[in-house]
Amino acid sequence: DSGVTQTPKHLITATGQRVTLRCSPRSGDLSVYWYQQSLDQGLQFLIQYYNGEERAKGNILERFSAQQFPDLHSELNLSSLELGDSALYFCASRAAGGGDTQYFGPGTRLTVL
Amino acid sequence: GENVEQHPSTLSVQEGDSAVIKCTYSDSASNYFPWYKQELGKGPQLIIDIRSNVGEKKDQRIAVTLNKTAKHFSLHITETQPEDSAVYFCAAGGYSGGGADGLTFGKGTHLIIQP
Repeated sequence: DSGVTQTPKHLITATGQRVTLRCSPRSGDLSVYWYQQSLDQGLQFLIQYYNGEERAKGNILERFSAQQFPDLHSELNLSSLELGDSALYFCASRAAGGGDTQYFGPGTRLTVL
Repeated sequence: GENVEQHPSTLSVQEGDSAVIKCTYSDSASNYFPWYKQELGKGPQLIIDIRSNVGEKKDQRIAVTLNKTAKHFSLHITETQPEDSAVYFCAAGGYSGGGADGLTFGKGTHLIIQP
């Protein structure tokens, strides 16, 4: 158990819909990273937040957005969903005082029908 | 941006033998190279990592080597056991702005340990 929690575990929705994935980082970690894992694209970095502020963007679509709240939990919002958005979405957190290790949560499996 | 290539995509070894997985990266600014193990239905779990100022690091049966000049790094697992069966990912990352960047991952190696 990494200490990172993600909800829900599974999500099934229809094309065109909007969903919100939630992540709680390890206690004390200020950085949150979101990744998407799919069969064709592999594991891809989407976006990073540090203490409530966006720090880095990866291959995140304009239909996707994220935020980190004052209690440090983060949400990833996916809108106008397409079949190709079906994937595993992972959140990872990193310690505040330096250190490089990113600790991954168990993931949310999104299925778009 | 960074590009990480990983080989082989599947590796089958006899229990007790060694396994080696190789990765190359493209961005010389990358300075952090972790290896993750992912079991079915779970998130990636860090097994070992190395910074660019170190050439080799070992933790029990697992070792990682880094050749900065050639931009490649490798994972070595000795005395393999059935519980080593999983998908292994290499990754590369660096620093910009205020902290560590997101990681760029290889496509993964499915390691199968034959009894």
